Amino acid sequence: GAGVSQSPSNKVTEKGKDVELRCDPISGHTALYWYRQSLGQGLEFLIYFQGNSAPDKSGLPSDRFSAERTGESVSTLTIQRTQQEDSAVYLCASSLGREGEQFFGPGTRLTVL
Amino acid sequence: AQSVTQPDIHITVSEGASLELRCNYSYGATPYLFWYVQSPGQGLQLLLKYFSGDTLVQGIKGFEAEFKRSQSSFNLRKPSVHWSDAAEYFCAVGLYNTDKLIFGTGTRLQVFP
Repeated sequence: GAGVSQSPSNKVTEKGKDVELRCDPISGHTALYWYRQSLGQGLEFLIYFQGNSAPDKSGLPSDRFSAERTGESVSTLTIQRTQQEDSAVYLCASSLGREGEQFFGPGTRLTVL
Repeated sequence: AQSVTQPDIHITVSEGASLELRCNYSYGATPYLFWYVQSPGQGLQLLLKYFSGDTLVQGIKGFEAEFKRSQSSFNLRKPSVHWSDAAEYFCAVGLYNTDKLIFGTGTRLQVFP
């Protein structure tokens, strides 16, 4: 595809349920990032994948958050036992690697009731 | 710890007026610096970036930014604002030897005709 795509665009869930958010990076981009944008806040780094290296998980806010990436392709961000404070826009970005421009997807707006 | 400060939460200008959005960073080494724009319902788009060299950087849409090491600043400027520039603007710092970006909380620009 032409750009980074994310699905779903919107997700409404009940507190305590698990959710999966998907990101399809630009083909050939070795680096993939997840960020969270809460209302009135800047973007908060969550996790970073680079090729076959171990992911940098230093931004994950709790052990309820996890992410996987299949090779240099699709990534899934999973939030278990969602809480209301998890409500935010989750943004995915990809790049060619170090010093490469990060291209952002449109985001998934998650609402936890 | 590394941080990015955008002191202006909301700025309003008239179309045709000049614009300067402020960004200050805290980082122990020379950072990589970025400005992104997020239009309503859109993903983030890179306006410009600074890695090294000339401290005045030209970007897309007529924007420029100047890196001032002595002031730890990377302010974004445009000589004449267009109504289509209304959006949220994010300054970000890239950390040396990683690809993580630390974002500021953003400045919302409103343009009056």
